[in-house]
Amino acid sequence: RKEVEQDPGPFNVPEGATVAFNCTYSNSASQSFFWYRQDCRKEPKLLMSVYSSGNEDGRFTAQLNRASQYISLLIRDSKLSDSATYLCVVKALRNNDMRFGAGTRLTVKP
Amino acid sequence: EAQVTQNPRYLITVTGKKLTVTCSQNMNHEYMSWYRQDPGLGLRQIYYSMNVEVTDKGDVPEGYKVSRKEKRNFPLILESPSPNQTSLYFCASSYILAEYNEQFFGPGTRLTVL
Repeated sequence: RKEVEQDPGPFNVPEGATVAFNCTYSNSASQSFFWYRQDCRKEPKLLMSVYSSGNEDGRFTAQLNRASQYISLLIRDSKLSDSATYLCVVKALRNNDMRFGAGTRLTVKP
Repeated sequence: EAQVTQNPRYLITVTGKKLTVTCSQNMNHEYMSWYRQDPGLGLRQIYYSMNVEVTDKGDVPEGYKVSRKEKRNFPLILESPSPNQTSLYFCASSYILAEYNEQFFGPGTRLTVL
C-alpha cells in the first residue's frame, strides 16, 4: 500500500464548477499536511498547508481528518488556470520526511 | 530572487558514462533533497541532507551518490547510469525547524539514459 494515496483522475470539469480531491495517508505519525500544485513539465509549488481546523485561501478549501487519516481539497468556481496536477503531501517531523502522493490531474475546460 | 537552480535541465547520455547534476539554493536552507518523478509513482526521495556534511539515504538511493560540502550546493552523482535511471529529477530545499516549512523545488532535470 502506498503511504499517500490519491485518485489519479483525470478530472475534467467546466469553468465555474466545484471540484473536490481526496487523499489518504497511512503513517499515523504524520504531523504536517500540504497540497502542492504541479503544472505540466514544471516543478511542484506549494498551494496551501492543511491545518487541523481546516483552512481556506480564496477559492480553495483544505480539510484534515486525523482520525480517518484523510485530507481533502475543494476548489470552487474553477478557472482555466487551475488546470494542473495536485499533489497531496504529508510530513513527519523526523528527518523532515515528506511523502508525496502520485497526484490528481485536473483539466478545466471552457 | 529566492530560488533553487539545477543544471543541466535536459541531458541525454549513454549507459555507464558518469554524470553530475548540480543543485544550488540561495535561501540559506539547512535541508536539501533529491527526488525522482516517474509516471504513476509520484515523487520518490533519493537522498537528503539535513546540513553540511550530513547526508542520508531516501527511498531509492541505489545507483546515486550525493555530497554536501557547502550549505548552498547539493550535487547528485550517477557513477554509472543505467536506463532505469531515466527520469525527471528535482532538487528541493527548506528550513527544518518548522512544522509547516515549505519545500522549494528546482525546475527539474530531465535525464535520458540510452
